[in-house]
Amino acid sequence: DTEVTQTPKHLVMGMTNKKSLKCEQHMGHRAMYWYKQKAKKPPELMFVYSYEKLSINESVPSRFSPECPNSSLLNLHLHALQPEDSALYLCASSLQAGGSEQYFGPGTRLTVT
Amino acid sequence: GQNIDQPTEMTATEGAIVQINCTYQTSGFNGLFWYQQHAGEAPTFLSYNVLDGLEEKGRFSSFLSRSKGYSYLLLKELQMKDSASYLCAVRGNQAGTALIFGKGTTLSVSS
Repeated sequence: DTEVTQTPKHLVMGMTNKKSLKCEQHMGHRAMYWYKQKAKKPPELMFVYSYEKLSINESVPSRFSPECPNSSLLNLHLHALQPEDSALYLCASSLQAGGSEQYFGPGTRLTVT
Repeated sequence: GQNIDQPTEMTATEGAIVQINCTYQTSGFNGLFWYQQHAGEAPTFLSYNVLDGLEEKGRFSSFLSRSKGYSYLLLKELQMKDSASYLCAVRGNQAGTALIFGKGTTLSVSS
């Protein structure tokens, strides 16, 4: 199983809503990542978890809150988002910190109204 | 600072060969990656170079020169399905695992 899955595929939320994005992998990878990608732009790193501990937070606003409940799951909790937060949110994983290849999930297309 | 440069757009015809260049200036270097991304889809891994030289994988090859801060992705026998964005990404330091992405090169293949 070389797949990273993400749910939901699409999400529309208002600025006062609270929602969560979910990511799952069963490849035994110990590093997991959240990226944000706007149209026609490259992915921008948001968070890195290594062995279930947050190791990198790229100065992301607190309205985005990551959580790694176990080595297979990664969540991104969303609260009080702004319309400019609308983007494709990509989850990725790699064998471990310093792993040679990151596998990306299909992404969640988020629209904030 | 961190800087990764690649051309914004390229065009080619079916059956041709195209080379997409990438130059980088990063604080430390621990590998260079090429990803392919079709519109509306997630990036998919194409190649990884950490030592100088050429890595070949079917119709795709990637080259790295660390002393020049330079890489290229070579695509042979182009097919229409190769129309996509090609992202060059550098892992900048050993301690972190973050990838720094270039802006991507949009390749259009015509018949």
